[in-house]
Amino acid sequence: KNEVEQSPQNLTAQEGEFITINCSYSVGISALHWLQQHPGGGIVSLFMLSSGKKKHGRLIATINIQEKHSSLHITASHPRDSAVYICALAFKPQLIWGAGTKLIIKP
Amino acid sequence: NAGVTQTPKFQVLKTGQSMTLQCAQDMNHEYMSWYRQDPGMGLRLIHYSVGAGITDQGEVPNGYNVSRSTTEDFPLRLLSAAPSQTSVYFCASSFVGGQGGLNSPLHFGNGTRLTVT
Repeated sequence: KNEVEQSPQNLTAQEGEFITINCSYSVGISALHWLQQHPGGGIVSLFMLSSGKKKHGRLIATINIQEKHSSLHITASHPRDSAVYICALAFKPQLIWGAGTKLIIKP
Repeated sequence: NAGVTQTPKFQVLKTGQSMTLQCAQDMNHEYMSWYRQDPGMGLRLIHYSVGAGITDQGEVPNGYNVSRSTTEDFPLRLLSAAPSQTSVYFCASSFVGGQGGLNSPLHFGNGTRLTVT
């Protein structure tokens, strides 16, 4: 049984569309991380959430602790948002990684 | 602030050679870890540490050694390189929360691309 399920696995959208990536989990966690990795590139932390909602530029992340669910939204998507987005659960001193969502934004 | 610094960026080894990948952070983070990422795959944890003198194995520790003699440094040693260790290696660090959770932002190095021939 997977402790974390990320969906969709792949997502292709047109520039300007509103994007939602979901992360559901089944274990008790202290926080949830959203990260971004561009092709052949490094890994960047986008958000760390323990409750509620955070916003940074066009990115919004929400978490519902009771429902064990988090979403990452991208508003007014742009081709430079094309990347793999990963959720990771903070479970004691380790991380449980989602499988990642490969996002392609077409101009 | 340099953040997390990994060296080298690229390395080619012959089978059986040994080497050390360096990772240093200047943020006083307790938690440091090493991951490998194979093509088209996610991150797999090799070893991690929650403080100087404390290390533990992750998912794929075989063939790798670590030590944590200082808060700042967490080197990864390949004892006898094998082609199966060809991968991109990432070092990551973070603060550890009051209950031992990683509930602070994660910081990653830029990666080391290792090829073993």
